[in-house]
Amino acid sequence: SAVISQKPSRDICQRGTSLTIQCQVDSQVTMMFWYRQQPGQSLTLIATANQGSEATYESGFVIDKFPISRPNLTFSTLTVSNMSPEDSSIYLCSVEVSSYEQYFGPGTRLTVT
Amino acid sequence: GQSLEQPSEVTAVEGAIVQINCTYQTSGFYGLSWYQQHDGGAPTFLSYNALDGLEETGRFSSFLSRSDSYGYLLLQELQMKDSASYFCAVRDAVEDDKIIFGKGTRLHILP
Repeated sequence: SAVISQKPSRDICQRGTSLTIQCQVDSQVTMMFWYRQQPGQSLTLIATANQGSEATYESGFVIDKFPISRPNLTFSTLTVSNMSPEDSSIYLCSVEVSSYEQYFGPGTRLTVT
Repeated sequence: GQSLEQPSEVTAVEGAIVQINCTYQTSGFYGLSWYQQHDGGAPTFLSYNALDGLEETGRFSSFLSRSDSYGYLLLQELQMKDSASYFCAVRDAVEDDKIIFGKGTRLHILP
């Protein structure tokens, strides 16, 4: 198992600004994942963050918009840059505890006005 | 490519049994997972099937038929707290091994 915390839990931001979301895990993990979830929708993978290498982004997501840091095996950040109302969503980090099971953080609810 | 299909909503009565189906199409397939997510909460892992057949965990069971690319989650003795969204997910062996989630099934439970 893994215990994951995220900061902030929610935020209201103005368009054009940036927000950095932090994800902390209570154990060392190789891969961390960042997802976006619109209310009532499925989870969309933004990127996979490996320690010591560049994050791997999914189609439709770019590093300039969603820069990710992975400084060690227990921590990662996701920045949502130059925000617009379309970025309003829930952002979740997760880790793999096995080949088929992920643990998710509690999420960051972002509202862009 | 890959896709997962599951009903968008299911309604059942407290104490009853409900089945949530999931069909999948992937380039490669390891197994089928199920997650539960309550409103405002994080998805939590429920079960995993790599082989054909039924896996039982308390009131919840999950089934897989690899030949039919089909699985389901069975919830018995429904309780109001089971009201949540349920996602099936697969790991695509070809698409960089990433986990792909279905669109989710919203389960409504009536008293």
